[in-house]
Amino acid sequence: GENVEQHPSTLSVQEGDSAVIKCTYSDSASNYFPWYKQELGKRPQLIIDIRSNVGEKKDQRIAVTLNKTAKHFSLHITETQPEDSAVYFCAASKGGSYIPTFGRGTSLIVHP
Amino acid sequence: KAGVTQTPRYLIKTRGQQVTLSCSPISGHRSVSWYQQTPGQGLQFLFEYFSETQRNKGNFPGRFSGRQFSNSRSEMNVSTLELGDSALYLCASSLPGPINTGELFFGEGSRLTVL
Repeated sequence: GENVEQHPSTLSVQEGDSAVIKCTYSDSASNYFPWYKQELGKRPQLIIDIRSNVGEKKDQRIAVTLNKTAKHFSLHITETQPEDSAVYFCAASKGGSYIPTFGRGTSLIVHP
Repeated sequence: KAGVTQTPRYLIKTRGQQVTLSCSPISGHRSVSWYQQTPGQGLQFLFEYFSETQRNKGNFPGRFSGRQFSNSRSEMNVSTLELGDSALYLCASSLPGPINTGELFFGEGSRLTVL
């Protein structure tokens, strides 16, 4: 089955810095890669996703890149703000069922 | 539009007991999936139901089971509870088949503590 590795497990940055979270996946058939943000005590929510026919996608301060050959994808957050503090989960799945395999999560702490 | 609703939000059980958790998906969503969230393990897939049928199943023992009703509401049951079953159980629903974008809409979860 699919295996998703996510690094780092904890990331501490100063407000205004950039943050990068990296994930690797094992199943070359995976073609959908979402990122979820879970604030403390809240539900996970989709913040951005990318499909295998695209190499990069941006949405304001966040971007995701995908390297299908190397089987890795990354989340980039620029100009971090305290409200970006949360746990971020990457996932990989195949279209059709879209059942995701999640990484173990990265706790991002943005210091004011 | 109401979001995904899970009940109860918190519960405490003792080893050996059984528990039933409920999930009401967003109106119009027919797929419901369940996840176990524990510190350090992230989100692990339990099972997925669509049109009252279990369509996919994760790697959990048979003590974990579920079902879906004709109104798409779903329940999951854990029998013979163990200490390691303490976790946040999240339910998620998604758009129906042809317009399913892959996005999961999560509930706030049911936090189970087993003593």
